[in-house]
Amino acid sequence: EPEVTQTPSHQVTQMGQEVILRCVPISNHLYFYWYRQILGQKVEFLVSFYNNEISEKSEIFDDQFSVERPDGSNFTLKIRSTKLEDSAMYFCASSEQGRDYGYTFGSGTRLTVV
Amino acid sequence: GDSVTQMEGPVTLSEEAFLTINCTYTATGYPSLFWYVQYPGEGLQLLLKATKADDKGSNKGFEATYRKETTSFHLEKGSVQVSDSAVYFCALLPRLGAQKLVFGQGTRLTINP
Repeated sequence: EPEVTQTPSHQVTQMGQEVILRCVPISNHLYFYWYRQILGQKVEFLVSFYNNEISEKSEIFDDQFSVERPDGSNFTLKIRSTKLEDSAMYFCASSEQGRDYGYTFGSGTRLTVV
Repeated sequence: GDSVTQMEGPVTLSEEAFLTINCTYTATGYPSLFWYVQYPGEGLQLLLKATKADDKGSNKGFEATYRKETTSFHLEKGSVQVSDSAVYFCALLPRLGAQKLVFGQGTRLTINP
């Protein structure tokens, strides 16, 4: 069964450093997303991406964050100048065309900012 | 705005017990509804879904019926197994506007042998 692949599975970074979280969505999917889950809290939407541009972003997704699809397969989330409160599990997801298909999520990257 | 409320966890049951995890939602229009499951150390997996009123989603012995009149999508299973131990998330996808999932807070389920 097709999978969404995320790397790394766990990343530890110093406060103030930049991190890039990587995702390989399912190849025929057109919509891409990042969500995050702070420990013990709800899964929160960060950003959606379609046709090589951001289609929507949440209040959380401020200038500290950016997304990119640098080639035909990868989808990245960059977090500049990380803060302690950025520590969370970050999930990438992709979906086929249409809103009723549901999403396929990756297994997540656990980001720990120290 | 759109929101999802799940029953508080954690829930602990014995093997072969009947399971219900309550989920209610608030949304404009008629959203699509989903249950996702997160096994220990893994990502979110789609368990089942329903896209319109009275639809029943089912998978792996789990069921949930889209109830428009009560704005609910309760998850049920007749006989749980130890392997069902996980965190379960109810979620909605709005019918109109933004295509982003709105999640409940999750319910941790532990099944004892």
